[in-house]
Amino acid sequence: QKEVEQDPGPLSVPEGAIVSLNCTYSNSAFQYFMWYRQYSRKGPELLMYTYSSGNKEDGRFTAQVDKSSKYISLFIRDSQPSDSATYLCAMRSSGNTPLVFGKGTRLSVIA
Amino acid sequence: DADVTQTPRNRITKTGKRIMLECSQTKGHDRMYWYRQDPGLGLRLIYYSFDVKDINKGEISDGYSVSRQAQAKFSLSLESAIPNQTALYFCATSGTPSYNEQFFGPGTRLTVL
Repeated sequence: QKEVEQDPGPLSVPEGAIVSLNCTYSNSAFQYFMWYRQYSRKGPELLMYTYSSGNKEDGRFTAQVDKSSKYISLFIRDSQPSDSATYLCAMRSSGNTPLVFGKGTRLSVIA
Repeated sequence: DADVTQTPRNRITKTGKRIMLECSQTKGHDRMYWYRQDPGLGLRLIYYSFDVKDINKGEISDGYSVSRQAQAKFSLSLESAIPNQTALYFCATSGTPSYNEQFFGPGTRLTVL
């Protein structure tokens, strides 16, 4: 089992839909949870960051972490065509450890 | 100018050739990383460096080597390229105040024939 599992999709939704993207993980030491967004032919960019469990909201985006279930989610409300990208979850434990990335989910929002 | 630059942006080479990919950053970050990205396999860490004198193997270091020439420069070498090293390669950096935010370069598309 990989440390981080993420459904690669692709996921296609109509404009205005609520999108739910998810990752599961097996390492209970993970404490820092991130979502990166990668547009075609670009490098990934940090979208959301959450420490430990709980929710974090930033505009149309909400990140949730459930450490008891080892499950993280990213919700996108009122999705726009400009949200079309690959979304990668990433996480790490404390100390000098590198990020572990999921494989990414490719999202298309159709106008 | 971009904060993280990679050269070359595209490279086609032949099996057995030695290839060097270079990464430079102007962010003043101490940590630098090399990843490769393949369809269906996501981003995989090749090597990382937390400072000039620190080099660590990542998930898939076999067939690769790195050099941290200065805080701002981190090079990736393929000593004898093989076709399954055809991929998109990204350099990334991170630093204070948050090591969780990595800043990625534009990528190098490498094709090994």
